[in-house]
Order: sequence, then C-alpha cells, then structure tokens
Amino acid sequence: KAGVTQTPRYLIKTRGQQVTLSCSPISGHRSVSWYQQTPGQGLQFLFEYFSETQRNKGNFPGRFSGRQFSNSRSEMNVSTLELGDSALYLCASSPRTGERKTSTDTQYFGPGTRLTVL
Amino acid sequence: QKEVEQNSGPLSVPEGAIASLNCTYSDRGSQSFFWYRQYSGKSPELIMSIYSNGDKEDGRFTAQLNKASQYVSLLIRDSQPSDSATYLCAVNEGAAGNKLTFGGGTRVLVKP
Repeated sequence: KAGVTQTPRYLIKTRGQQVTLSCSPISGHRSVSWYQQTPGQGLQFLFEYFSETQRNKGNFPGRFSGRQFSNSRSEMNVSTLELGDSALYLCASSPRTGERKTSTDTQYFGPGTRLTVL
Repeated sequence: QKEVEQNSGPLSVPEGAIASLNCTYSDRGSQSFFWYRQYSGKSPELIMSIYSNGDKEDGRFTAQLNKASQYVSLLIRDSQPSDSATYLCAVNEGAAGNKLTFGGGTRVLVKP
C-alpha cells in the first residue's frame, strides 16, 4: 500500500497570506489527523477528521481550519499567517473508526509540509 | 493540560549496548501508547504500540507499560549507529477518535 502523501512538500509565504495544505491517507484509512511540529513546542495536535467531520480538536486558534472530502483526502488551511506558524505540518492517517480497538488506532505519518513564513 | 514527559537527552550509548528510554504521562485514563522514531528532517516513523501492562517485544525493541505508575519505556538492544535519532513517546487521548499527545522526545546517539 502507498503511504500517506502530502503536498506541497515545501512552501514559503509572507505574513498575512493564507495557505492550504493537502493530505491523502493510506488507502482504506478514514481518519486523518493534522499535527504541527516546531523546535520550541514540539509535536502538537491540530485536529482529526473522520467521515468528513471534525472529531477531535487541539488548542489552536481559529485561523487553523481543515476539512475532509468523501474520499478521505483532507486539507488544512491557515489564514492570516504569522511568523510563528513556520513549522513542519504533519498529516497522519489511521484505520480507526469509532470505539478504540487496539488494532486500528495506530497513526501513520506522511512526510510533512515544511512551511516558512517570512 | 494532559502531559507526556521525556528526558530530552542526548542519551549516548556505545554500539552494541542497550539504550533505555523513559516516558511518563499524566492522564490516568489513557489506553494507547506509541513509540515513534524521527530522524532529523524526516517525519515520525512508528516503532511500537502497546496497550496492556507488561512487555512487548519486536525485534531489537521492547516496550514496557505500567499503567499504575503511568510509565512507558522503550529498550533498544544491540544499538546500532542507524538507531541514532529522536524517539518520541505518544499517548492517544482521544476516547472516540485519534488525538496523540507527544513528549518532547529523547535524542539518542549511538557511537561506533
């Protein structure tokens, strides 16, 4: 099976702009989660989508949003970019549907999108 | 605020030795625990998942879980230079979905 794919791999934007990142999960995986990784804060959870609905949300401002399509592909959007949004944005997919089952809640990460805000 | 704590290291071990990494977590209700390896400039790669108290072995890796002490560990036997990376402990706190909380990671250096 192909792994999680993310596009683009690198982005350079300026403050105030907005950006959209894309993620295609592993085939058959319906849960897609997004994470932000910075040297100062480490890896932090942004949100999770399942069946086109946001199922879990982290502690990020409303400038960060996402959506999921019927084919499980997901996008995240950051509006009004700030310098502090420079980070590696990681997407992870999981076969988990509802209740926790030990065989299905493992998350597999894509290669990430490196966003630089100038 | 649910927390996952790891020693940042670096943990320096000679080639062939055992590397021991520790992780503590604050949410007593957590049920799923993961170790990921991350090389510089790359994304996290799953090494091990563990859900029940006790040990779980996979090749040169052994994960240990003690829910009463809220403690997870990872042993790397016969450490190789290719094991040099940052190891991330993660706890899934999503009761009805996925929400990983990560520790800050432990940097491991294996010296030939």
